[in-house]
Amino acid sequence: DTGVSQNPRHKITKRGQNVTFRCDPISEHNRLYWYRQTLGQGPEFLTYFQNEAQLEKSRLLSDRFSAERPKGSFSTLEIQRTEQGDSAMYLCASSAQGATTDTQYFGPGTRLTVL
Amino acid sequence: AQSVSQHNHHVILSEAASLELGCNYSYGGTVNLFWYVQYPGQHLQLLLKYFSGDPLVKGIKGFEAEFIKSKFSFNLRKPSVQWSDTAEYFCAVNDPGGGNKLTFGTGTQLKVEL
Repeated sequence: DTGVSQNPRHKITKRGQNVTFRCDPISEHNRLYWYRQTLGQGPEFLTYFQNEAQLEKSRLLSDRFSAERPKGSFSTLEIQRTEQGDSAMYLCASSAQGATTDTQYFGPGTRLTVL
Repeated sequence: AQSVSQHNHHVILSEAASLELGCNYSYGGTVNLFWYVQYPGQHLQLLLKYFSGDPLVKGIKGFEAEFIKSKFSFNLRKPSVQWSDTAEYFCAVNDPGGGNKLTFGTGTQLKVEL
């Protein structure tokens, strides 16, 4: 079963450090999404890619956040100068583009703890 | 902007009890609707989805949901829950005309007791 994979699964860092997460989508999916989930909340949209193009970014995505999908396959999400408020689960999802059947499948997430 | 409300934050049921979890969304146009489930220690999994057609949608594990457009609702139901249904349930909406992002509710923690 080649679902969405994310690495690392857990990351503990000190405030001010940079971190990078990786997402590998389902192989035939051309859309890739990043969400953030904090305790007691549902996932919140951060950004999404269609192939290599980053088509939408949430206002939640401050200047310290950057996401890339250079070859339209895996994606990275980098957080610079981490803050304690960045502690959350970072989720990746992928989908196959379709007019009415865009169903997103989620990975296991990367749990970030900023000390 | 879209918003999704899940009114029940914590639900405790005994096995074999019936389940109904509420979900209301704010957008008045055409929407795609989803229920996702997160079992303890596992990632979000799709339970069921509605795009168009029959407003009563059947999903995995005996779950179903009914889309009522006039009420902006997409409630999740199961006639008889099992202990293994203990999980967190999220309702989500995708506005096809507003990008492909999902807007999630805050989730409902369901605990099924033996």
